[in-house]
Amino acid sequence: QVQLVESGGGVVQPGRSLRLSCAASGMKFSSYGMHWVRQAPGKGLEWVAMTWFDGSNKHYADSVKGRFTISRDNSKNTLYLQMNSLRAEDTAVYYCARDTQRGFIYWYFDRWGPGTLVTVSS
Amino acid sequence: EIVLTQSPATLSLSPGDRATLSCRASQSVTNFYVAWYQQKPGQAPRLLIYGASSRATGIPDRFSGSGSGTDFTLTISRLEPEDFAVYYCQQYGQLTTFGQGTKVEFK
Repeated sequence: QVQLVESGGGVVQPGRSLRLSCAASGMKFSSYGMHWVRQAPGKGLEWVAMTWFDGSNKHYADSVKGRFTISRDNSKNTLYLQMNSLRAEDTAVYYCARDTQRGFIYWYFDRWGPGTLVTVSS
Repeated sequence: EIVLTQSPATLSLSPGDRATLSCRASQSVTNFYVAWYQQKPGQAPRLLIYGASSRATGIPDRFSGSGSGTDFTLTISRLEPEDFAVYYCQQYGQLTTFGQGTKVEFK
């Protein structure tokens, strides 16, 4: 069955960097758009970034534009989120999520990983 | 950016009750592009409804969605104990944004 598993979270100081990974299995990874969605402690969901099937097109939320970079390695079935210049307000659980249809981008998500916690604190 | 406002913030109900959750958009959402998710504590969200009214795979028929334009509704016809959770609406007609959530709690 489809599995998405995030890793790479942890505690990091403000201004530093962190890279998250999301390993996918049970699906044809290269056929799906992929997203990162985050959730600050006790708060709601915030979409962060997305990448098309081949990584040719990417979109970012204004709150992370210029600081975060989404990428993917289809040969490794893995999605990444490079997070630079981290701020306290980036503290959240980060989920990777699959766009719903093979070969199309619909911007809603039918599979989610369990998430990885990023804490930005000095 | 389309802002989604969910109401009420909390709904206190009992098993067997009908739950009606509202999601209002700051501008019209294209093509009924609204989804609903359920989230339980410590878990990732689960897709319930897409296209405003289509149930996702494996979702029981006690969950239904409706609405158009700026007003959308998620209805749970008879609450089961496992339905007590937080529910989020999402619009995906213009990039994507989420509502702030409605918590369905035991009365």
